[in-house]
Amino acid sequence: AQKITQTQPGMFVQEKEAVTLDCTYDTSDQSYGLFWYKQPSSGEMIFLIYQGSYDEQNATEGRYSLNFQKARKSANLVISASQLGDSAMYFCAMREIQGAQKLVFGQGTRLTINP
Amino acid sequence: DAGVTQSPTHLIKTRGQQVTLRCSPKSGHDTVSWYQQALGQGPQFIFQYYEEEERQRGNFPDRFSGHQFPNYSSELNVNALLLGDSALYLCASSFVPGELFFGEGSRLTVL
Repeated sequence: AQKITQTQPGMFVQEKEAVTLDCTYDTSDQSYGLFWYKQPSSGEMIFLIYQGSYDEQNATEGRYSLNFQKARKSANLVISASQLGDSAMYFCAMREIQGAQKLVFGQGTRLTINP
Repeated sequence: DAGVTQSPTHLIKTRGQQVTLRCSPKSGHDTVSWYQQALGQGPQFIFQYYEEEERQRGNFPDRFSGHQFPNYSSELNVNALLLGDSALYLCASSFVPGELFFGEGSRLTVL
């Protein structure tokens, strides 16, 4: 069974600083996808970034980058130059490449950006 | 282009009642998945519908059932509500296979 672990319940960061949100995963599958989502108080899950298990390069999307270390089974999200609007819950998730695309989520990290 | 829309946004029910939640997928999407997110937890997969059939189911009892209509919209039904069913219910749509787009959810409170 797939499992995602996020060990940071809450993070507090000063505006404009970089922040790393931790994510480790466990799976016996060779092929899988890793995602990060942002969930503001409105409830909607907003897709941030994706990393495939066979991707050689770490994924980047604007201020977001994914530090993928396959041997350590970690997929940490790095947000550069944090902004007040980045305050939200952040979820790491895993999806099988094959099958019905079910997502398995971690417990989440609440990020608060201080002015 | 409208994204994923869910209704109602908030509702309150009492134990033992039944509830129906609705989801309209993003235009062009044919697959709908439902997730339950309890307070302070990550979402958990309930089931997925594709071509009006339940394609995969998570670890939820038979009290949770669903339906997908020919226009790809979907309903989630929960019977005999328990206090523990209080949660945010998220619908996600995709065009198989593809990126998931989530709605803002239906927040259910069971008293």
